[in-house]
Amino acid sequence: ETGVTQTPRHLVMGMTNKKSLKCEQHLGHNAMYWYKQSAKKPLELMFVYNFKEQTENNSVPSRFSPECPNSSHLFLHLHTLQPEDSALYLCASSRKTGPDNSPLHFGNGTRLTVT
Amino acid sequence: TQLLEQSPQFLSIQEGENLTVYCNSSSVFSSLQWYRQEPGEGPVLLVTVVTGGEVKKLKRLTFQFGDARKDSSLHITAAQPGDTGLYLCAGIRGTYKYIFGTGTRLKVLA
Repeated sequence: ETGVTQTPRHLVMGMTNKKSLKCEQHLGHNAMYWYKQSAKKPLELMFVYNFKEQTENNSVPSRFSPECPNSSHLFLHLHTLQPEDSALYLCASSRKTGPDNSPLHFGNGTRLTVT
Repeated sequence: TQLLEQSPQFLSIQEGENLTVYCNSSSVFSSLQWYRQEPGEGPVLLVTVVTGGEVKKLKRLTFQFGDARKDSSLHITAAQPGDTGLYLCAGIRGTYKYIFGTGTRLKVLA
């Protein structure tokens, strides 16, 4: 198994539900990212972790809670979401040693619908 | 803001035609990347450009980084249906800041 794997691929949840998105990378990378992709908007960076430490939190509402137990796994815990949170959530990883231009390797995303 | 504007937003062309996609910003980036995203998949890296004025070729795709490192272009020669997808530019600033453009959705008709 290679690359970046995200589960589930599709998720429908009500505004009062609690759910989690999972991301796993088998590339030996140290940095992991959550991005949100909405229609008519550029990809928005949400969180970045480097060696399990959060390095970026792009003013994301607290109803999104990330967790990075190790360099290979990343979770996004969701609770009391709003319909406008419906989007494609993409996980990515990279091998980062500093301010270099390492490419991002993306998973295929979780399509989230909040009803 | 660090917004990266791409143009055109949508493009539908016939197989064999040439096209150019633009990525513009008022900010300087240390480097810039182009990704292509197909339906149901995540973006995949096409190229990284680093030096102002740099030109890189990938088969029928030619990428150029502006002299001032604020803009970039992607030119496709003799487009094929397999080129269909969402093209995204991403400017890199700092260690973890990959700032994505607004995207160009290309459809190549057979």
